[in-house]
Amino acid sequence: GAVVSQHPSWVICKSGTSVKIECRSLDFQATTMFWYRQFPKQSLMLMATSNEGSKATYEQGVEKDKFLINHASLTLSTLTVTSAHPEDSSFYICSAPYTSGYGYTFGSGTRLTVV
Amino acid sequence: GQQLNQSPQSMFIQEGEDVSMNCTSSSIFNTWLWYKQDPGEGPVLLIALYKAGELTSNGRLTAQFGITRKDSFLNISASIPSDVGIYFCAGTGGFGNEKLTFGTGTRLTIIP
Repeated sequence: GAVVSQHPSWVICKSGTSVKIECRSLDFQATTMFWYRQFPKQSLMLMATSNEGSKATYEQGVEKDKFLINHASLTLSTLTVTSAHPEDSSFYICSAPYTSGYGYTFGSGTRLTVV
Repeated sequence: GQQLNQSPQSMFIQEGEDVSMNCTSSSIFNTWLWYKQDPGEGPVLLIALYKAGELTSNGRLTAQFGITRKDSFLNISASIPSDVGIYFCAGTGGFGNEKLTFGTGTRLTIIP
């Protein structure tokens, strides 16, 4: 149980275009979704926290106008990288806390390459 | 953002050896979690610790929540090839729904 499905698993886009990443909770309701970014050989860095039906909270240094987060339902949260540039190339991972008990389940990640 | 200090940064061991890694923080955490990440995948939970001093096992893995609530260790006994990967500790100040702070990671490599 407690599965988060993340799509796409990888995407290549041209500089200046936008990319949407989706995370769906398959067997539980995710009222909160955390979005992380991971550069090669580095740890996961939290970008933002989304809560269903309200505005996302962004970590210091993360541009909210560039990384648009929508959490319109209890099973879907999306991250849109707008006007992507090569420096946005990274591994993006979502995570949701379990609703029954304590713990966090992660999506399988999205490898974004901006060319 | 804040990170937990994890050591060692990398380990090169032979199959069958035991492994030990730890995680320290300058601030208190009320929940410690240990994750393993394979290349191109999201982290997978190995062990969760919720109580200071708690010692928990999951098969060949054993983890302890430090009594000061500022550290944790993970041991892997009799390593096997599928143990290769990156291990992360993570902590949260609460007991659910709060954001996780991740450690810097320990990369485990098994030498043939």
